[in-house]
Amino acid sequence: ETVLTQSPGTLSLSPGERASLSCRASQSINENYLAWYQQKPGQAPRLLIYGTSTRATGIPDRFSGSGSGTDFTLTISRLEPEDFAVYYCQQYGNPPRTFGQGTKVE
Amino acid sequence: QVQLVQSGAEVKQPGASLKVSCKASGYTFIEYYIQWVRQVPGQRLERMGWNNPKTGGTDYAQQFQGRVTMTRDTSISTAYMELSSLTSDDRAVYYCARGSKIGGTTKLPLDIWGQGTMLTVSS
Repeated sequence: ETVLTQSPGTLSLSPGERASLSCRASQSINENYLAWYQQKPGQAPRLLIYGTSTRATGIPDRFSGSGSGTDFTLTISRLEPEDFAVYYCQQYGNPPRTFGQGTKVE
Repeated sequence: QVQLVQSGAEVKQPGASLKVSCKASGYTFIEYYIQWVRQVPGQRLERMGWNNPKTGGTDYAQQFQGRVTMTRDTSISTAYMELSSLTSDDRAVYYCARGSKIGGTTKLPLDIWGQGTMLTVSS
């Protein structure tokens, strides 16, 4: 199965700063089917980005995704207070679907 | 609105079984796969498998095979996940989520999630 490795494990930033989160796959992801989810304590994950770079409905444009093949990035251009959370990448191009271990933005 | 609503938190004894329900509304239940994902506290999201509500077909992650059963009742737009032979290692939050459209040519992410069902295993 495709292993996803996220880095860094924790990102310590302040509101207004830019965040860059990395997700690296053990093999190329078909059709770049890579998604990003945000999870806050006690809540279910929320879809942010799918197909590497398409924002889900209602997601503000400060969130952007990029990459291809095995290297993908989620960028938050200017952190808002509500953006401090854990972020997971997931690939759904190579069965079975797999998740990264998460990056905490604090 | 499109949503998945799960059954409530459970406390089970070791060796018992857990059955979680996931009721879909706001869309046609039989048109999308239902994925089941669990999250042990403080750990990553872990795929358990999927159910095809249209056919009843299933695919289970290897680590759960023999212990998990995913079913559905199309008359009430509800999917179920049953996990048997529970141990303390199964203490987790269990989520259902909507996946790809059945028969679609494009794969879809998990765009709608249930609120989660917390399982505690204790004697």
